[in-house]
Parts: sequence; structure tokens; C-alpha cells
Amino acid sequence: SYELTQPPSVSVSPGQTARITCSGDALPKKYAYWYQQKSGQAPVLVIYEDSKRPSGIPERFSGSSSGTMATLTISGAQVEDEADYYCYSTDSSGNNYYVFGTGTKVTVL
Amino acid sequence: QLQLQESGPGLVKPSETLSLTCIVSGGSISSSSDYWGWIRQPPGKGLEWIGSMYHSGSTYYNPSLKSRITISADTSKNQFSLKLSSVTAADTAVYYCARHKFSTGWFFPDYWGQGTLVTVSS
Repeated sequence: SYELTQPPSVSVSPGQTARITCSGDALPKKYAYWYQQKSGQAPVLVIYEDSKRPSGIPERFSGSSSGTMATLTISGAQVEDEADYYCYSTDSSGNNYYVFGTGTKVTVL
Repeated sequence: QLQLQESGPGLVKPSETLSLTCIVSGGSISSSSDYWGWIRQPPGKGLEWIGSMYHSGSTYYNPSLKSRITISADTSKNQFSLKLSSVTAADTAVYYCARHKFSTGWFFPDYWGQGTLVTVSS
């Protein structure tokens, strides 16, 4: 089965930059998507198609992808950005099988 | 504004079938650019994509669950459902329904329901 691997945790001071990585063999040919999930809430889409930001998502959230790794960057992290973050993508089989990454807990303190 | 709301039993016995419905408002499940699907999250764990469907009946399932799941739509009621058979304690999770936006050949969840906790226990 296909896997997307993320670091379990990332810590950042307020105002600094947090980078969350997502590693997967199919990422050179498949888009990555990123979700933010705050405690007790449903996930929210923050980045789609590697680097596009949905309306209403702050500009401090950006995404990029190179080779087998996609990266979510939070520039000038705020306390309210503390959450779990998951990447999402599909494998190379063409069977429309999608997976979420293992998840990263971002702590802002 | 599109809204999705899960409904169904919060407690299911082992070996029985889990059945959930997602009621969609503010949009149509017959939309040509949208798929509709389910994601789950065991307590304290990560997200797992279960599967999705198109209103015409095409379905796409997680291979690890494929033998046990059925996702179907009732366009007359603008809702879709999930059935997961032969459940065990490992199926205990918060179940989310979500619109999956189709774009550039792929689909991804962009609108989510609030989630409903289903516990498998006798």
C-alpha cells in the first residue's frame, strides 16, 4: 500500500517559519494537498495542487513540491496555527486510491 | 454555503454493519464536477481515506477496506451513504463525509462534515 511520510512533530516560535514535509514515491507526478486539523474539529484544506491556496486561507500558508517531497510552509507562524497537519495525495496506479500522510503536530510556543 | 451532516448510530455491535448517511445542503450531489466520499479517524490517530463516489454510480475504494464497504447515493434526497460490514473494534472512529472536488484529473476533499463518532462494542 502507498504511504506518505511526515515528521511526527514540528515546533516553532511565534513569528518564525515552520516547514512540514511529506514524502511519497508518486509525488513527482501527483499533486499534494494539505489539511489543518485543530483539536476536536474537522480538517480544513489549506493548500491544494501543491501550491494553491483556497480563498480565506492566510497568505502565510504556502506549499511547494520537488521530487518525492512536498512541503507546507507557515511563514510567521501564529499561536492559532497550532494544529495537526496532514498531506493527501494519490498513488501511481491510476486507480484513484488516495491516502493521507501520517500527520504532523505543529506546536507554536 | 455547502454543508454536510453525518447521521447514523453511534454504537454498532461487532460483526454487524455500520451504516451512515451524509445529508448535503447548499449544493447538489449531482454536480458534474464533484465526487462525494468518506474519511475516518480512530481516536487519537490519523486520517484514513475510505472511498468516494460520483453521482452516476462510479465508486473508488481504499483497497484495505474494499471488500467491506459500499458507498452509494440517493440523488432524490441529495444524500449519500456508507455501509461498512463485519465491523470490529478497529473500526471505531470519527467518520467524516466530505465533498471531493474534481480538478486536473484528481479529486480531493474540500468541504467536510463535522464528523460523527461510531463506537464498535457489544
